[in-house]
Amino acid sequence: NAGVTQTPKFRVLKTGQSMTLLCAQDMNHEYMYWYRQDPGMGLRLIHYSVGEGTTAKGEVPDGYNVSRLKKQNFLLGLESAAPSQTSVYFCASFPVVGPYNEQFFGPGTRLTVL
Amino acid sequence: RKEVEQDPGPFNVPEGATVAFNCTYSNSASQSFFWYRQDCRKEPKLLMSVYSSGNEDGRFTAQLNRASQYISLLIRDSKLSDSATYLCVVGALGRFGAGTRLTVKP
Repeated sequence: NAGVTQTPKFRVLKTGQSMTLLCAQDMNHEYMYWYRQDPGMGLRLIHYSVGEGTTAKGEVPDGYNVSRLKKQNFLLGLESAAPSQTSVYFCASFPVVGPYNEQFFGPGTRLTVL
Repeated sequence: RKEVEQDPGPFNVPEGATVAFNCTYSNSASQSFFWYRQDCRKEPKLLMSVYSSGNEDGRFTAQLNRASQYISLLIRDSKLSDSATYLCVVGALGRFGAGTRLTVKP
């Protein structure tokens, strides 16, 4: 079991470029979330998915799009990157929402937008 | 007011000390509460869920106070390896606090 993996681990973009971050999980989890973490601000939810083919906006969705075509994959897209999107991006998955259900996190993608 | 607030610290304590963190939340309908630990530049990992009646796991004790809308984490007999940032998480949509940094010194 690889758990939750994220690709790429690091990336540097120029303003206006686009890219897609891939999150993959092999635990058959229904729920998948994308967060960003900025210094001193904790993790903020960007978008999430409650199952294959579904997506919803989180706390800070602007400038991002997502897709969940397959249950095991959750893609985060930046259509036109901006310096404000420089951050560490974490993906998480868990089986169902519940009081005691743990979120499993990927190792993160460190993105710098110049 | 932020949905989830934590004292950012840092907390610098000697080995063997007892340290407590609090986390307040604004959504009174929240049902899920967790404490995660995050080491520098790594992903968060679950430390413990917080049960309504409070729960203990070794040196760690978590409490929930619904009336005052806060959760707490108590660490007894601190170890050097406890040095990390502790994040509280509230609700099904994973509202994270900004984290409290703890450094345990020899």
